[in-house]
Amino acid sequence: GAVVSQHPSRVICKSGTSVKIECRSLDFQATTMFWYRQFPKQSLMLMATSNEGSKATYEQGVEKDKFLINHASLTLSTLTVTSAHPEDSSFYICSARTADQPQHFGDGTRLSIL
Amino acid sequence: AQTVTQSQPEMSVQEAETVTLSCTYDTSESDYYLFWYKQPPSRQMILVIRQEAYKQQNATENRFSVNFQKAAKSFSLKISDSQLGDAAMYFCAYSTDYGGSQGNLIFGKGTKLSVKP
Repeated sequence: GAVVSQHPSRVICKSGTSVKIECRSLDFQATTMFWYRQFPKQSLMLMATSNEGSKATYEQGVEKDKFLINHASLTLSTLTVTSAHPEDSSFYICSARTADQPQHFGDGTRLSIL
Repeated sequence: AQTVTQSQPEMSVQEAETVTLSCTYDTSESDYYLFWYKQPPSRQMILVIRQEAYKQQNATENRFSVNFQKAAKSFSLKISDSQLGDAAMYFCAYSTDYGGSQGNLIFGKGTKLSVKP
């Protein structure tokens, strides 16, 4: 089946640093990738939708300059949390899909900002 | 706006028994898709089953089946012969697109299922 790899699985860093999270579709070309944020015991909240070669479409309330998304190829999308602060600590999940398939999710990244 | 409601924050089932997780949704669309996702402690979201609204027949995947009541906007998940590995958070999700390609996978708040040996 379709595999989506997300890296790193966990990151701890100091406040003010930038963190990059990678999302790769390993065995298929993803026309669209998505980034979600999940708070403890909460559901997934869509942050942005990313199409290869295009600018990401952000959901209302998500800061574009804070969460930089790059979708440079059909198999890779990156989310960079810039100047991260403790309130950015969360679980971030990516997903990817082709035109006729449901979304396949990565394992998620737990981000902790000290 | 579309909403998805899961009214059971937690459920428990005895191993080998059957359990039903509830989900209701609200939409003005006539064509849409519904999904159940499983999120085990490892946190990876796994698609369990999906249903197209235009299909009257309820979807089935091995031990998992749904009871789709379009008029009532209800989409419950039945797990038969529950296994310890079924313990996880279960999320009901809605989309106007089969794969959620527009990013409009709308999730419910989830139901935590525990399986007792």
